[in-house]
Amino acid sequence: DTAVSQTPKYLVTQMGNDKSIKCEQNLGHDTMYWYKQDSKKFLKIMFSYNNKELIINETVPNRFSPKSPDKAHLNLHINSLELGDSAVYFCASSQDRGQGTDTQYFGPGTRLTVL
Amino acid sequence: AQKITQTQPGMFVQEKEAVTLDCTYDTSDPSYGLFWYKQPSSGEMIFLIYQGSYDQQNATEGRYSLNFQKARKSANLVISASQLGDSAMYFCAMREGDFNKFYFGSGTKLNVKP
Repeated sequence: DTAVSQTPKYLVTQMGNDKSIKCEQNLGHDTMYWYKQDSKKFLKIMFSYNNKELIINETVPNRFSPKSPDKAHLNLHINSLELGDSAVYFCASSQDRGQGTDTQYFGPGTRLTVL
Repeated sequence: AQKITQTQPGMFVQEKEAVTLDCTYDTSDPSYGLFWYKQPSSGEMIFLIYQGSYDQQNATEGRYSLNFQKARKSANLVISASQLGDSAMYFCAMREGDFNKFYFGSGTKLNVKP
């Protein structure tokens, strides 16, 4: 059984389009995240939700909007796609027991290519 | 200041030898967790090993061990008996206290030579 799943795995689209990436976790975790990994492999956190509530919102353009319908799902919607949005987007989840002990588990990633 | 620093962009190791990947961290929180992840060329992020700040012993998971030196704020990953399948990017990460934010290093690309 897949712990953290993302769809689609690959997404190729034209500049200016709107697209969504879906993420689901079946680990019963309280917290979910979106990361962007650029071509140099640097991982940058974008958003974090805890029990459907937004708790981390890094300096990400307003064109990116996360939505968490329930604590097992965190979707990412991107409006007016730009060339610079091309990257691999990872969803992740972790339990939230505090004390820095909780491991984060990643989805397989979505490779977004904007033409 | 960088929360996590990995100073080795790339490393080579001969198959069957041991290799150490460096990681230093910066935090003033007494409670934190340190993690290592592996990212093979297929792209997925695989959790390898965890060390808690209050753990007395170094963490080990199979061929992976974490050389935790708290006073030096270092958390180096040691891979023993390297295999060709160990060739990948390796990321060190930290979570502070009860914050839901993980900090990642820039990664080390390990190449295992036959």
